Amino acid sequence: EDQVTQSPEALRLQEGESSSLNCSYTVSGLRGLFWYRQDPGKGPEFLFTLYSAGEEKEKERLKATLTKKESFLHITAPKPEDSATYLCAVQTRKAAGNKLTFGGGTRVLVKP
Amino acid sequence: DTGVSQNPRHKITKRGQNVTFRCDPISEHNRLYWYRQTLGQGPEFLTYFQNEAQLEKSRLLSDRFSAERPKGSFSTLEIQRTEQGDSAMYLCASSLGGQFYEQYFGPGTRLTVT
Repeated sequence: EDQVTQSPEALRLQEGESSSLNCSYTVSGLRGLFWYRQDPGKGPEFLFTLYSAGEEKEKERLKATLTKKESFLHITAPKPEDSATYLCAVQTRKAAGNKLTFGGGTRVLVKP
Repeated sequence: DTGVSQNPRHKITKRGQNVTFRCDPISEHNRLYWYRQTLGQGPEFLTYFQNEAQLEKSRLLSDRFSAERPKGSFSTLEIQRTEQGDSAMYLCASSLGGQFYEQYFGPGTRLTVT
């Protein structure tokens, strides 16, 4: 069965203190790995899709990377507005309809 | 705003009552998904539609749950005889399908069963 594990569960950062979130996965036939941001009481907001090992994507202070077993979301010089839960999800080639399997998320709090 | 919309945003109901939620996907998206999210967890897949056809249902979707997507546009998710364990955020997402894999989520419907 496909498994996605995110670590740490929670992360407290000072403004400007860069850090990385981990998403490790065990799937057969990865089609894509997705990162979402979720604010409290809201739906997940799409950030990135990564399709193959070695691929990198960047958006403002966020950079996502992918290896054959895990993905990292790097937050560079975070600001308080980067506080959110970051969710990782995978799609596999055998999954009907491209359904997503999510990890449990990493709750990030950036203090000014 | 042409994103995914969901109604109602919040629903409080008593155990045993039936509830129905609505999702309006992004207009050109032919795939529509329902997920359920409990506090502190990631969303879990419930079911998906390609146009009006419901093509997969998760084991999480008991026989008290039913979903429809008439005419391949909006979708409804009904829960009959609600139980306290049904309390969760119900999320709807849509995608173009084909080689376009990104799913875009709505704001969710928060269900509380008392």
